[in-house]
Amino acid sequence: AQSVTQLDSQVPVFEEAPVELRCNYSSSVSVYLFWYVQYPNQGLQLLLKYLSGSTLVESINGFEAEFNKSQTSFHLRKPSVHISDTAEYFCAVSGNTGGFKTIFGAGTRLFVKA
Amino acid sequence: GAVVSQHPSWVICKSGTSVKIECRSLDFQATTMFWYRQFPKQSLMLMATSNEGSKATYEQGVEKDKFLINHASLTLSTLTVTSAHPEDSSFYICSARDNRKASYEQYFGPGTRLTVT
Repeated sequence: AQSVTQLDSQVPVFEEAPVELRCNYSSSVSVYLFWYVQYPNQGLQLLLKYLSGSTLVESINGFEAEFNKSQTSFHLRKPSVHISDTAEYFCAVSGNTGGFKTIFGAGTRLFVKA
Repeated sequence: GAVVSQHPSWVICKSGTSVKIECRSLDFQATTMFWYRQFPKQSLMLMATSNEGSKATYEQGVEKDKFLINHASLTLSTLTVTSAHPEDSSFYICSARDNRKASYEQYFGPGTRLTVT
């Protein structure tokens, strides 16, 4: 069985400060890892993904995440956040089991303050 | 990019009635579609997985007779909430994937907000 743990339910941070949203997963098979962002009353948007290859993956808006197999983590980072980054962030895992269904973490609310 | 639409985006229905939500993949063939529900300030809970032409596989605790899922074509899946009650009020999100592609990425619809009065 697969599971995802997002260690922080809320992360308040000042604008232009760095941020890290933590995600740990468990799985008995090889995994694919994702970060999704959800703005209020909207659906999910894929932020970035790890499928294979380089363990550091980046998004077009400055976020990055690093796959760490030994620590079973996929933390999301951004060196300098903007007000517009305020949203709910979900870490998700998918693997070669159960038809590649995706399991989501509980979510982390990133609140960027001016 | 791959686009998934949902219709309606929001719906209000009376208790005891049924409501159908459509999920369409607009520019790719969705061999598998997933249905999720999301309560306010909570994560997505997978309800069921459906493969085109097959019966849906429901997650434990999800009533298949209440949440009817049909995936009759490679571009359309429907979720029908039968005899809806206020506790069925939620945000329902579908996602779609083309299993023939190696990315195994799911593409999400914008969601449907159901309110049962």
